[in-house]
Amino acid sequence: DAKTTQPTSMDCAEGRAANLPCNHSTISGNEYVYWYRQIHSQGPQYIIHGLKNNETNEMASLIITEDRKSSTLILPHAKLRYTAVYSCIVFSWGQNFVFGPGTRLSVLP
Amino acid sequence: DTGVSQDPRHKITKRGQNVTFRCDPISEHNRLYWYRQTLGQGPEFLTYFQNEAQLEKSRLLSDRFSAERPKGSFSTLEIQRTEQGDSAMYLCASSSNREAHEAFFGQGTRLTVV
Repeated sequence: DAKTTQPTSMDCAEGRAANLPCNHSTISGNEYVYWYRQIHSQGPQYIIHGLKNNETNEMASLIITEDRKSSTLILPHAKLRYTAVYSCIVFSWGQNFVFGPGTRLSVLP
Repeated sequence: DTGVSQDPRHKITKRGQNVTFRCDPISEHNRLYWYRQTLGQGPEFLTYFQNEAQLEKSRLLSDRFSAERPKGSFSTLEIQRTEQGDSAMYLCASSSNREAHEAFFGQGTRLTVV
């Protein structure tokens, strides 16, 4: 079973920041938080990951709470093509990715 | 294109037939994973290879399913005596040992059993 809970769906206006929350209250100390997105009919695409500190790359920012029980994926300046299912996953070495249903983000014009 | 490639992209087969899918991982990636995804659900783990060794199999992988990675490069997933419930998207992913957590997924093979 997935170790994360996410809202089923969210809307975001084009050009605004999309903030996607994820709860992972049972995360253990050696587990990372990963985010993938899956555009319709395509395979999942890696976005970002983190352990404790906030992370930023060219695609997104990841904010992890101090107790690590939740995190937020931030997509700045959302574009229409960002419409996809976003999955938050906890993962550690030796495990395999366990995907939940994710959050269906709709970026609206 | 140096990403993970899967073949075929789509497969329609009659119930009871055998099917085989192929996955070519990113070159020099040691790890290769197979996932299955049904409509509206996230991908479900099936099996995982480290080089040519199959290290883990999900209980979802019934005895009708077999996966191989004979030379530690490409992999095949075979489904024997297909059933309608096997209809799904079959995804392959690969990663390196150094960056084992960053898996790259292929576009998947969509199987329809009629």
